[in-house]
Amino acid sequence: EVQLVESGGGLIQPGGSLRLSCAASGFTVSSHYINWVRQAPGKRLEWVSVIYSGDNTYYSDSVKGRFAISRDSSKNTVYLQMNSLRAEDTAVFYCARSWFNIWYAFDIWGQGTMVTVSS
Amino acid sequence: DIQMTQSPSSVSASVGDRVTITCRASQLISSWLAWYQQKPGKAPKLLIYAASSLQSGVPSRFSGSGSGTDFTLTISSLQPEDFATYFCQQTHSFPSTFGQGTKVEVK
Repeated sequence: EVQLVESGGGLIQPGGSLRLSCAASGFTVSSHYINWVRQAPGKRLEWVSVIYSGDNTYYSDSVKGRFAISRDSSKNTVYLQMNSLRAEDTAVFYCARSWFNIWYAFDIWGQGTMVTVSS
Repeated sequence: DIQMTQSPSSVSASVGDRVTITCRASQLISSWLAWYQQKPGKAPKLLIYAASSLQSGVPSRFSGSGSGTDFTLTISSLQPEDFATYFCQQTHSFPSTFGQGTKVEVK
């Protein structure tokens, strides 16, 4: 079955760090774009970061310099290292697959992992 | 960044109704537009990509149209399982951006 499973969320104090994991099955992460998307309570979806072919990465301005996306092909897993966390980073974080065949729409999503930044 | 604006923010409808949701991009995006359905506590589900292409497994009562800056999602005959929130997304350029959502509620 083609799926993504996130883990690593939790409650963290402002200024702290957290690493999210996105484990893929049924396909190879290195052959697709893997994105992180977040959704704060009651808010619209916000694209956060992407990793694709080779080690190409992009970040939204709101997380640039604080978050880092990476990939471990041997584990078929993508990570999001989140540093200097702020209250406004509180959200459900989803990883999602996209690729050229569907005009880079996001066809497979994980179930989401909640990140709460609070003292 | 490209801004995506949906209307209406919510719509009240009954089973069997035809429902139309619009999405406007702040810049030309050709057909780089996707639509998603999201139910409470669940991840979004891809319905339409490339503005009008139906994702595999999605019922044919869902359809998309438009190009350039103005797009439409239509549900031809609303079913009970269609009550949800719908989002549009542009995949034309980084950063990809989403609309604010349209909630389809029971009338």
